[in-house]
This record gives sequence, C-alpha cells and structure tokens, in this order.
Amino acid sequence: DTGVSQNPRHKITKRGQNVTFRCDPISEHNRLYWYRQTLGQGPEFLTYFQNEAQLEKSRLLSDRFSAERPKGSFSTLEIQRTEQGDSAMYLCASSLADVKLFFGSGTQLSVL
Amino acid sequence: DQQVKQNSPSLSVQEGRISILNCDYTNSMFDYFLWYKKYPAEGPTFLISISSIKDKNEDGRFTVFLNKSAKHLSLHIVPSQPGDSAVYFCAATPSVGSQGGSEKLVFGKGTKLTVNP
Repeated sequence: DTGVSQNPRHKITKRGQNVTFRCDPISEHNRLYWYRQTLGQGPEFLTYFQNEAQLEKSRLLSDRFSAERPKGSFSTLEIQRTEQGDSAMYLCASSLADVKLFFGSGTQLSVL
Repeated sequence: DQQVKQNSPSLSVQEGRISILNCDYTNSMFDYFLWYKKYPAEGPTFLISISSIKDKNEDGRFTVFLNKSAKHLSLHIVPSQPGDSAVYFCAATPSVGSQGGSEKLVFGKGTKLTVNP
C-alpha cells in the first residue's frame, strides 16, 4: 500500500494523559500536513512540514501540541495533558510540491 | 470567520439524476479550488480541482464550475450513482507559491450527498 498511513486508528484516553500519533506519508512526498476535524466541521490546518523543517503552525496548535518529522520521513503529533476539547479526528496528509493533498484515514481521539 | 462556505449540510438525489453541490468563498486571495470526497471512517479523497484562470474543469462524471466574480463554485455529478453517497468538501488556497510553499487548504464544512437507488 503506497498511501498515507496513520496509527493508531482510534485512541481513547483520560483527561490529563499524553498521547502520540504517527503518520507515514507517501514515500516520495516531501510535504506533510496535520489537520484536525471535529463533528460537523471541515478539516482545519494545524501544521506543515517541508522535509524535516516545520514551516508553519496554526494558532489552533497550543503549546500542549508538538509535531516532529525527523529525517523528513514519518511524523509524530503529541498532545500533552489532553483535554476533552482535544477530542477530534486528526488527519495527516502529504503532497509532492503541489496543492493536491493525499490524506490518511486519520486517528480518532476520544478524551474522557 | 468561515472563508469557505457550504451552506447546504445535506443533499438527496435520485440515482441517474444530476447532483449539484455549491460552495462560496470570501477571501479574494483564493485562486485554486478543490473538491474532496469523504466516506465514513476514511480520510478525504481528492476528486477534482480548478484554477481561477479557468471557469470549468471536467473529469468523467464530475464537472466543477467557477464563477470568480461571484466567488462561487459548484460541483456537478452526472449521472449520480449510489456509490457517490459521501460527504463532499470544498477547499481553497491562495496562489500556489504565495505562502512560501505550504499551500495549506481552507475547507468548508461539507455537504452530505445521498444518492437513492
């Protein structure tokens, strides 16, 4: 499978716990994006990497959120001290220097 | 503020008929537009796009029309099939390259299309 892969598919956690999600982009894609989608809304941009450099972060990304893309390959998104408002679908997408993004199936986070 | 608006949360059409999904935008810097389709428990899948230098782009059963003066675009699906039942998202971005390369997309809230057999 050469698509964007995200793990885990589902994560249930208690408020205050830390969670980490992983995204493996399409191998030749140099751009990687994280989006968040809540019920009834469209995906909202969180952050963007070109190779290993994090070039842009949304104001939605509070200091409890951190994303990395070591070596310009896979990426991780960590949420510290989770809150109930963090419950959402976290989507990863990749692209090869254009606007056509390829999305993974997402990680559904539920914070209890 | 919602820069990309899809004012119809849902649309129901009969198989074989035309489906028309609408999208309005407010940011005059947007000049590239995309439609994505999303099935439950899956990520959005790219469907079709259009640049502001065009007013129409066609790909098989799918056609996107852009009216730049009205800041409006629409997606036509003809003929509609039950497998087209999904949530359709309109997305927009400013000129490619104007953001230093990120080309991040701004999405609408989506329209749920149901095609009845």
